[in-house]
Amino acid sequence: EVQLLESGGDLIQPGGSLRLSCAASGFTFRSYVMSWVRQAPGKGLEWVSSINTGGRTTYNADSAKGRFTISRDDSKNTLYLQMNSLRAEDTAVYFCAKDAISGAGLGNWGQGTLVTVSS
Amino acid sequence: QSVLTQPPSVSAAPGQRVTISCSGSSSNIGDNYVSWYQQLPGTAPKLLIYENNKRPSGIPDRFSGSKSGTSATLGITGLQTGDEADYHCGTWDSSLSAGVFGGGTKLTVL
Repeated sequence: EVQLLESGGDLIQPGGSLRLSCAASGFTFRSYVMSWVRQAPGKGLEWVSSINTGGRTTYNADSAKGRFTISRDDSKNTLYLQMNSLRAEDTAVYFCAKDAISGAGLGNWGQGTLVTVSS
Repeated sequence: QSVLTQPPSVSAAPGQRVTISCSGSSSNIGDNYVSWYQQLPGTAPKLLIYENNKRPSGIPDRFSGSKSGTSATLGITGLQTGDEADYHCGTWDSSLSAGVFGGGTKLTVL
């Protein structure tokens, strides 16, 4: 059974940094594109970032460019999202998801981790 | 403002059929596969449709997807109260080199 378990969400002040983790199990992690998607309170889904197999190619939403970095450790079956220079508008539940938004679709999702940016 | 456009809400009676539209452009829906997600209240999204019209295992055939040009449609037949949820369309945008979602549609089963 595919399981994705996010962690690392917290209350953080504007300008601060946070690293989210997503522990994966139940599938061959290194063989899949992985993605982060967020959802602000009461809002729709927003794609944040994706990383290809091998980790050499990443894609980021404009809102994340220059501030967020997606990475993966295939030896630990773990996906990461390093978030710097956090803003109030980054407040959201962050989900990790298996695969890509097009093609096979985001086939499995974690339960999400809440990031609150506030002073 | 979402790149893909969905109606904010739709409603229909139990047993009826409903469709949810998702409108985009030549660089996103027109150029890439569309996926659809169901999000029940307080839960993570769940993949309903991928590659425009394919259902993952376990998704009933009451759910269907289609795509024409720069628009996609999710259809749900035999509506049940348990189908009340938010539905989101998503795809890749080749010009932005980014994933994009619609704003989501809240389905109410009256």
